[in-house]
Amino acid sequence: DAGITQSPRHKVTETGTPVTLRCHQTENHRYMYWYRQDPGHGLRLIHYSYGVKDTDKGEVSDGYSVSRSKTEDFLLTLESATSSQTSVYFCAISELGQGLSGYTFGSGTRLTVV
Amino acid sequence: DQQVKQNSPSLSVQEGRISILNCDYTNSMFDYFLWYKKYPAEGPTFLISISSIKDKNEDGRFTVFLNKSAKHLSLHIVPSQPGDSAVYFCAASGVSTGTASKLTFGTGTRLQVTL
Repeated sequence: DAGITQSPRHKVTETGTPVTLRCHQTENHRYMYWYRQDPGHGLRLIHYSYGVKDTDKGEVSDGYSVSRSKTEDFLLTLESATSSQTSVYFCAISELGQGLSGYTFGSGTRLTVV
Repeated sequence: DQQVKQNSPSLSVQEGRISILNCDYTNSMFDYFLWYKKYPAEGPTFLISISSIKDKNEDGRFTVFLNKSAKHLSLHIVPSQPGDSAVYFCAASGVSTGTASKLTFGTGTRLQVTL
């Protein structure tokens, strides 16, 4: 969607390799989030950021790390990819970090770990 | 433990009729409730929201109802159109604790609007 882009859109990687997904925003929003979508689980929060260098864990953070060195970029790293991390990953941004206004999501990255 | 539940994985409705999507939650600390719509190969898009101080919010063809005592909310789409065919996610969050409010999502309901 306009203002938020994810790269790559698709990736196939081998078990045990590190993988980094990128989320880039042009909205200057303070809050950024990484979710994964899996059948039967909906969207689950992996990590989120509430400012440059300020990050915290979500409900499914094991095996993932994040970094935010600039307002516009939020990186998600799978330190050693496993087949259970095959999923669609969505980045989201929020201006207020408050529930009623909602998040704007990117188009997603489909990751396959073989 | 699933704090936000959508018990109907799919729903089929005729064009022009009402679509009713349901959502239940267990966490009494949730204060904000949202609905998102998702098309294949796209990210979810925000549809409508409601705060816990209200029991109804309307936006065009979309109305969200909240029953706090039952911990239940529903999304009504009237009239349903073929373009409404998508997966709908219910989401909830509490008041921001200073870092960020975090949305908890349900598992989604696939709505198909037939001609």
